[in-house]
Amino acid sequence: GENVEQHPSTLSVQEGDSAVIKCTYSDSASNYFPWYKQELGKRPQLIIDIRSNVGEKKDQRIAVTLNKTAKHFSLHITETQPEDSAVYFCASTSGTYKYIFGTGTRLKVLA
Amino acid sequence: SQTIHQWPATLVQPVGSPLSLECTVEGTSNPNLYWYRQAAGRGLQLLFYSVGIGQISSEVPQNLSASRPQDRQFILSSKKLLLSDSGFYLCAWSVAGSSNQPQHFGDGTRLSIL
Repeated sequence: GENVEQHPSTLSVQEGDSAVIKCTYSDSASNYFPWYKQELGKRPQLIIDIRSNVGEKKDQRIAVTLNKTAKHFSLHITETQPEDSAVYFCASTSGTYKYIFGTGTRLKVLA
Repeated sequence: SQTIHQWPATLVQPVGSPLSLECTVEGTSNPNLYWYRQAAGRGLQLLFYSVGIGQISSEVPQNLSASRPQDRQFILSSKKLLLSDSGFYLCAWSVAGSSNQPQHFGDGTRLSIL
């Protein structure tokens, strides 16, 4: 069945450095790829998304890249700040009603 | 704008007791609706989804059930809770008929089984 692999499971970076989280999907029909940030005890919140007709999207310090040939997409956070510390989930969907989520990456930004 | 309400925020229940969690969405019609469970420190497990009133799809066989009695109301139930039902339950919605729109999550219910 459909699957999304997410790496790494934990990531520690120094404040001001960049963080990169990678996801690989299995369903070649996938056409939408959102990223969610979940702070401790809170709901997942959408931070950025990308559709299959573009290769990159940027929103201030956050960017997402998509390589449809290789079936992977990545989240890039630049100039990390302590408030970026959270769990990040990638997801994909392919026109069914289901969203396939990755297993999450716990990002720690060290001050 | 659309909003999603989920209650209660926290719940402590004894093993074997019934459960009813409710979720409502405002500001949109015929949304796709979802129930997820999240164990502590883990990912999102899809339990049920619904694309219309009375239409429920189950992803994981278990002692939970879901119902959609109204267009924007989604209910998660159990007749007898198990210890393994503990977790963080999240309701979510997405735009109907579109595969390239995000899901939006409610604030969740933290369920503890004693």
